[in-house]
Parts: sequence; structure tokens; C-alpha cells
Amino acid sequence: DTEVTQTPKHLVMGMTNKKSLKCEQHMGHRAMYWYKQKAKKPPELMFVYSYEKLSINESVPSRFSPECPNSSLLNLHLHALQPEDSALYLCASSYDSSGPQHFGDGTRLSIL
Amino acid sequence: GENVEQHPSTLSVQEGDSAVIKCTYSDSASNYFPWYKQELGKRPQLIIDIRSNVGEKKDQRIAVTLNKTAKHFSLHITETQPEDSAVYFCAFSTGRRALTFGSGTRLQVQP
Repeated sequence: DTEVTQTPKHLVMGMTNKKSLKCEQHMGHRAMYWYKQKAKKPPELMFVYSYEKLSINESVPSRFSPECPNSSLLNLHLHALQPEDSALYLCASSYDSSGPQHFGDGTRLSIL
Repeated sequence: GENVEQHPSTLSVQEGDSAVIKCTYSDSASNYFPWYKQELGKRPQLIIDIRSNVGEKKDQRIAVTLNKTAKHFSLHITETQPEDSAVYFCAFSTGRRALTFGSGTRLQVQP
């Protein structure tokens, strides 16, 4: 199994809603990542978890809240988002923080 | 800070020709250099990578070369096919931090 699975694939939410993005991998990878990707731009790193602990937060606004319940799961909790937060949110994982990263298909998020 | 420049931003080639994309990085501590292919609406897909102790790596029609002295690395695609059309991103890391991506190259292979 070499897959990173993300749900949902698409999400439309209002600025007052609370929702969560989910990411799962069963490759035994110990590092997991959240990226944000706007159209025609490269992925931008948001958070890194290493061995289930948050190791990097790239100055992301607090309306994005990551959570790593266990080594296979990564969540991104969303609250009071802005229209400019509309983007493709990608999850990735790697064996360790220096290894090749494998991406999920992403969640396409639209904020109304 | 960490920075990578990727050129060209767009590249159009005829089917069967070769394509070369180049990236220049700033941090001499960089030790890992992957290349990702992203088709429209799909995930970035790792296609080849190289570490700083190797100068060149090849996988069928794809090769990556690394020049540590000049701090640049390049993706070479030979005998291009229409299905190679995509956006290609270079990236690098120092091992202490996660990947920093280049701005991307849109490759179009004309049949």
C-alpha cells in the first residue's frame, strides 16, 4: 500500500463553519505534512508532524488547527476561514523527515 | 532564507525531443533534491530524486543531474511523449526542514 488517502475530495463551507480535513497512510511513515496549493503555484508547507509531534508550523493562522491522533492519521481542523483560504490542501507523508514525500490527491476547499 | 529558482516557467517541445528543466538553490547544506510531476487536477507525483553524494541518477527516460559546486540540479526527459505534458516542480531540503519547492515548469509535448 503506497497511498496517502485524503477526505473529503471537495469541500464547500461558509466563513462561520467548522470542518475537518482528514489524511491517512498505512506505509509506516513517521512524518506527515499539510500543504496548501493555489492554482498555478507550488505547494506551500503549512505543518509538519514527526513521530506524532508538531515539529514545524510555518506561521499558519490559528484558524487552521492540525492534529495527529496517531501515526497513521493527520487532521486539519478549519474554523472561521476566509475566501482567500480557498485552495487545494495536500497531505503528504514520508518515512522520516528527510525522506521522499508521497502526496495524497488533496481536498479542494472553497470558502463562500 | 532558503530559496530555489526554477527555469523555464513554460517549455514546449515536439514529441520525441528532449526537455531540460533547471533549478538553482541557495543553501549549501541542501542534501536531497526530488522532482515532482503534477498533471492537471492531480497530486504531485515523485518521479525521481537524488541525494548530494550522487552526481547523476537515471530512470528510463528520466534523469537528474546535480552540480553541488554551482548549486544547481536539472531534470532531463528524453524521447518526450504527449503524456509527459504536466507541471514539473523541483524541490530541495536540508534534512532539518521539509521540502522547499520551485515555482514550477509547465511542459507541453506537441504530438
